[in-house]
Amino acid sequence: EDQVTQSPEALRLQEGESSSLNCSYTVSGLRGLFWYRQDPGKGPEFLFTLYSAGEEKEKERLKATLTKKESFLHITAPKPEDSATYLCAVLQDGSEKLVFGKGTKLTVNP
Amino acid sequence: DAGITQSPRHKVTETGTPVTLRCHQTENHRYMYWYRQDPGHGLRLIHYSYGVKDTDKGEVSDGYSVSRSKTEDFLLTLESATSSQTSVYFCAISGNSPEQQFFGPGTRLTVL
Repeated sequence: EDQVTQSPEALRLQEGESSSLNCSYTVSGLRGLFWYRQDPGKGPEFLFTLYSAGEEKEKERLKATLTKKESFLHITAPKPEDSATYLCAVLQDGSEKLVFGKGTKLTVNP
Repeated sequence: DAGITQSPRHKVTETGTPVTLRCHQTENHRYMYWYRQDPGHGLRLIHYSYGVKDTDKGEVSDGYSVSRSKTEDFLLTLESATSSQTSVYFCAISGNSPEQQFFGPGTRLTVL
């Protein structure tokens, strides 16, 4: 069973059409949850770290939230340049290893 | 951008040959990681290092070995490459904790 599940696998939006990406996790004792953006042919780029339920982080059109079982990445009024694959990862208490989900590929059409 | 470079950026090799990938950092970070990324599997940890000469296995370590003799360099070796090791390999670094990791540009390896 995957410890980190991202949904949907792919999402197509029109420019300006807000939506959310989901990351659910099953690890107990969450030390941190991390969001990354990955453009084709490049390495993942760090976006946010969330540590506790109720925490929120924002950056431009992106807002990440965390509950005890899942995290959401909300994208408000997206632009074509927001098109990328968004990765979620978790770090469990006592571990030094991130576990990644398989990602959500976001396409924003003009 | 975090000071991480990977070399080579692209490599094509034949089954059974040894291959070494290099990750170099200029950030003096304690932790260094090697991941592979494959369609349908996402990023999977191969090995990581928590200090010079201190390494540990990840989820998919079979067929791979690593070495770290200096803070700035982390080497990944495929002793005898197989076609199943065709992948994109990413190096990542983080400071004094394994949390906020920064990734390199990747190495695309093809094993024929």
